[in-house]
Amino acid sequence: GAVVSQHPSWVICKSGTSVKIECRSLDFQATTMFWYRQFPKQSLMLMATSNEGSKATYEQGVEKDKFLINHASLTLSTLTVTSAHPEDSSFYICSARDLGQLSYEQYFGPGTRLTVT
Amino acid sequence: AQTVTQSQPEMSVQEAETVTLSCTYDTSESDYYLFWYKQPPSRQMILVIRQEAYKQQNATENRFSVNFQKAAKSFSLKISDSQLGDAAMYFCAYTTGTASKLTFGTGTRLQVTL
Repeated sequence: GAVVSQHPSWVICKSGTSVKIECRSLDFQATTMFWYRQFPKQSLMLMATSNEGSKATYEQGVEKDKFLINHASLTLSTLTVTSAHPEDSSFYICSARDLGQLSYEQYFGPGTRLTVT
Repeated sequence: AQTVTQSQPEMSVQEAETVTLSCTYDTSESDYYLFWYKQPPSRQMILVIRQEAYKQQNATENRFSVNFQKAAKSFSLKISDSQLGDAAMYFCAYTTGTASKLTFGTGTRLQVTL
């Protein structure tokens, strides 16, 4: 149980275009999902907290107009990188909390590698 | 602000031996949760073990156990009978629950040698 999927797992896009990454909780409902960015050999950096049916909460320094987050249902959150630039190239990971569990652990997706050329 | 510190960037252990990874944290909260996550080369984050701060008993999951020292704000991970598959990055993480978001340490890369 507690499986989170991400799609795509790897994407290459041209500078100036937009790319959407999907995060789905497959076997549980998630009112809260999280988006992280991870640079090589570094830790996970939280970008934003996504709550179903409401606006996302962005961490300080994260451009909300560049990284658009939508959490339209209890099983799906999307991250859209708008007007992508090479510096946006990174590994993006989503996670979700299980609405039905009292523990506060997060279940992570397998990540999406974004390369902007 | 809450911070999590992992002072060991890299550790090495021989197969079948025991290794301890260190983690300290800083918080003014009395109720919180601590986790160890493993990130193998596939980069899939895997929960290894969790500890609720209100529980005095140290958590144990098979070969993995923690030494939770609340007063010292220390949360170390012990891996017994190390296996080649244990080689990975290990991240210590903290949350207060109500805030939901996890604060991660910088990670410790564990190598397992034959």
